[in-house]
Parts: sequence; structure tokens; C-alpha cells
Amino acid sequence: KQEVTQIPAALSVPEGENLVLNCSFTDSAIYNLQWFRQDPGKGLTSLLLIQSSQREQTSGRLNASLDKSSGRSTLYIAASQPGDSATYLCRAAGNKLTFGGGTRVLVKP
Amino acid sequence: NAGVTQTPKFQVLKTGQSMTLQCAQDMNHNSMYWYRQDPGMGLRLIYYSASEGTTDKGEVPNGYNVSRLNKREFSLRLESAAPSQTSVYFCASTGSGLGNTEAFFGQGTRLTVV
Repeated sequence: KQEVTQIPAALSVPEGENLVLNCSFTDSAIYNLQWFRQDPGKGLTSLLLIQSSQREQTSGRLNASLDKSSGRSTLYIAASQPGDSATYLCRAAGNKLTFGGGTRVLVKP
Repeated sequence: NAGVTQTPKFQVLKTGQSMTLQCAQDMNHNSMYWYRQDPGMGLRLIYYSASEGTTDKGEVPNGYNVSRLNKREFSLRLESAAPSQTSVYFCASTGSGLGNTEAFFGQGTRLTVV
């Protein structure tokens, strides 16, 4: 059974600092891994999708890496801004879709 | 593009009442999903439909039924609501398969059962 873990559950950083969010999964047989952002009371917004054959994906200040052999993905957000405050979730797609519990991020001005 | 649209956005039910949550996508996606999100439990899959005409149970299907009305629409029905079904419900869609492509989510339905 796939288990996806995101540690820490919450993170607070000053504005301008780089953010590093971790996602670990137990079953490396995945099609892809996707990172989402969720604002309070809102739905999930897709940030980046990494196919199993890829090592990383980049979009603006966001960079996500994938290491299937170690069962890890990392989301980097460069030069954080208060608008980056949200909960970030990762989802591993194998035979089932499994979400991590999320990391709640607060970027302080 | 509207993407994935869910209705209603909020609902309060009494125990034992029934209701249907509606979901529609305009991206011509084959696969659609219903999740519930609870504090400390994360997102859990209730049911999914890999393609029009097919539905399958997810992780927590008890107390729910679904209908894939056509390629665009996937509804979730609570026949007899229970307080344990108080949650935020999300509908999602993907191009094909269980996770071969990017997933898009609706804005959610906040359901309270009293």
C-alpha cells in the first residue's frame, strides 16, 4: 500500500527565504508525482507534474525534483513571498492516487 | 474554460437526508474522481470513473453512490447522510487512466450533517 508523507506539517519563514518542501512515498512504482497548492477554503491548484521518467520540472520560482529510487520529491520555492502562504500537497499516482497530508506554509512579511 | 465545476458550494443536511453533489468538467477528460478532505486525514478517494460508463470504489466508498452520467458529469449521492460524512468534497478529472496526466480539481463542496 502506497503511503505518502509530508514533513513538516507546518513551516514558517521570513519573506525572501527559499522554501524547501518534502514529499516521501513508499512505493516507487508511480506514473507521476504532482504538487498542488491549496488556499484556505479553496480547491487544489496544480503547480507541477513530474512524470516518472523525469528528474525535475520548473515553473517560474518553482522547481520540483523526483528521485524514485529513494522515494522522494522536493518542491523548491525561490525567494518566498507572503502570497506563497498556503498548504502544499503532493500526490503520487500509481495504481491508486495517494495524497500526502500537506505542509502548511506561512511566509511572514 | 471553467475547468471542473462543483455544485453546491455549501450544504447543511439533517441526519438521514439525501442529496446529490454535482460535478462537471469541460476539458473532455476521460477520468473523474470524488475525494473527501478531513482535518488530519488528508484527501481520500471515495469513487472514481476511469471512463464514461465505468465506476469503481476508492478508499472510503461506504455510504456513497456515484453516477457517470456522460463524459462531462460525475455525481456523488449520499442516500442517508450521517454526521461522519461532514467533510469537504472535491471532484477532480484527468485526461486518462488513474494518474497518467495532470489532475484538475473543483472548488469543493463544504457539507455539514447535523
